[in-house]
Amino acid sequence: RKEVEQDPGPFNVPEGATVAFNCTYSNSASQSFFWYRQDCRKEPKLLMSVYSSGNEDGRFTAQLNRASQYISLLIRDSKLSDSATYLCVVNPNTGNQFYFGTGTSLTVIP
Amino acid sequence: GAVVSQHPSRVICKSGTSVKIECRSLDFQATTMFWYRQFPKQSLMLMATSNEGSKATYEQGVEKDKFLINHASLTLSTLTVTSAHPEDSSFYICSASRAGGARGYTFGSGTRLTVV
Repeated sequence: RKEVEQDPGPFNVPEGATVAFNCTYSNSASQSFFWYRQDCRKEPKLLMSVYSSGNEDGRFTAQLNRASQYISLLIRDSKLSDSATYLCVVNPNTGNQFYFGTGTSLTVIP
Repeated sequence: GAVVSQHPSRVICKSGTSVKIECRSLDFQATTMFWYRQFPKQSLMLMATSNEGSKATYEQGVEKDKFLINHASLTLSTLTVTSAHPEDSSFYICSASRAGGARGYTFGSGTRLTVV
């Protein structure tokens, strides 16, 4: 079983729509969770950390469900510039190794 | 914020030659750096963990004699792809964490290697 699993999409949504991605992880002892954004042919960049109580950053909301072992990312009022691949990243806390999901592709359509 | 510089950004080499990729942490010391490889439409796959002053730790299936890693200082790790073949063509990315696992990674800008 993969450490981290994501729906690869693609998600094609109109501007202004709300879209949500989920990501499941296999190690119940995992401690740190992140969402990264990767634009085509570029390196991943940290979008936001995911905290146990859930957290919000502008139009982006991240949530953690430890019981079901998944994290989610909600994007409200989608912009064209949100088009990218969103990577779910989990640190199982067994050293510094992080595990990446395969990424979910989002295209926001005018 | 933490900055990681990677060089070169793009390289084309002939089959059988070696290519060195550098990864530098510009404003912090990184005792540990990580090397990833990403094939088209696939996720980042960890190749090896580079530890300053000691041998790198390679993931299963990654040939340590082919992908030589040197982490001679707290700010520099290098990955050398030896005797490159076309199947080694990929996007190689390094990363480092400034404060352990608490704040995620900072990635270098990546190196797109094409072996012809």
